[in-house]
Amino acid sequence: ELKVEQNPLFLSMQEGKNYTIYCNYSTTSDRLYWYRQDPGKSLESLFVLLSNGAVKQEGRLMASLDTKARLSTLHITAAVHDLSATYFCAVERGRGTYKYIFGTGTRLKVLA
Amino acid sequence: NAGVTQTPKFQVLKTGQSMTLQCAQDMNHEYMSWYRQDPGMGLRLIHYSVGAGITDQGEVPNGYNVSRSTTEDFPLRLLSAAPSQTSVYFCASSYGGVGAKNIQYFGAGTRLSVL
Repeated sequence: ELKVEQNPLFLSMQEGKNYTIYCNYSTTSDRLYWYRQDPGKSLESLFVLLSNGAVKQEGRLMASLDTKARLSTLHITAAVHDLSATYFCAVERGRGTYKYIFGTGTRLKVLA
Repeated sequence: NAGVTQTPKFQVLKTGQSMTLQCAQDMNHEYMSWYRQDPGMGLRLIHYSVGAGITDQGEVPNGYNVSRSTTEDFPLRLLSAAPSQTSVYFCASSYGGVGAKNIQYFGAGTRLSVL
């Protein structure tokens, strides 16, 4: 059964610091998604990673995918308060199944 | 461009009542899905559809029905509400198709309480 685990579950960090969120999944998948959710709001897409070694960057966020290790990372550079949110990774349970399994989320709080 | 529209935004039900959560998208997406979000559990897939007339079960389908008569609409029906169905429900859609990125676009959510 496909399991998607994120760590840490909670992260409190100072502005200006760097940190990494990890997403591990238990079975083969070559497609991984990162989403952001602000408190009480919906989810919005950040990145989609489609192959081994894929790296995507947007502003202070950079995501990477290692399909052999079944690991994706979301790296935060020089955090700012506006990045405070919950971040989810999601994996498709087999190509073309359209069954997406989400991690439990990492709640990030950036302190001024 | 409205994107994915969910109604209602909030709903309180009594145990045993039935209701339908509405979801509509105007992006001509083939794929639509329903998730529930509970504290500490991320999002769990309830049902999904890959096109009009085609639906399938996700991780937690019990107690819910869906149908997809048009590309635009994908309602979720609670047959006999139970307190365990208290949750936030999200509808999502994506382009779908082999080779597509399948980035999902989410509605604003429906907060449901069952007493």
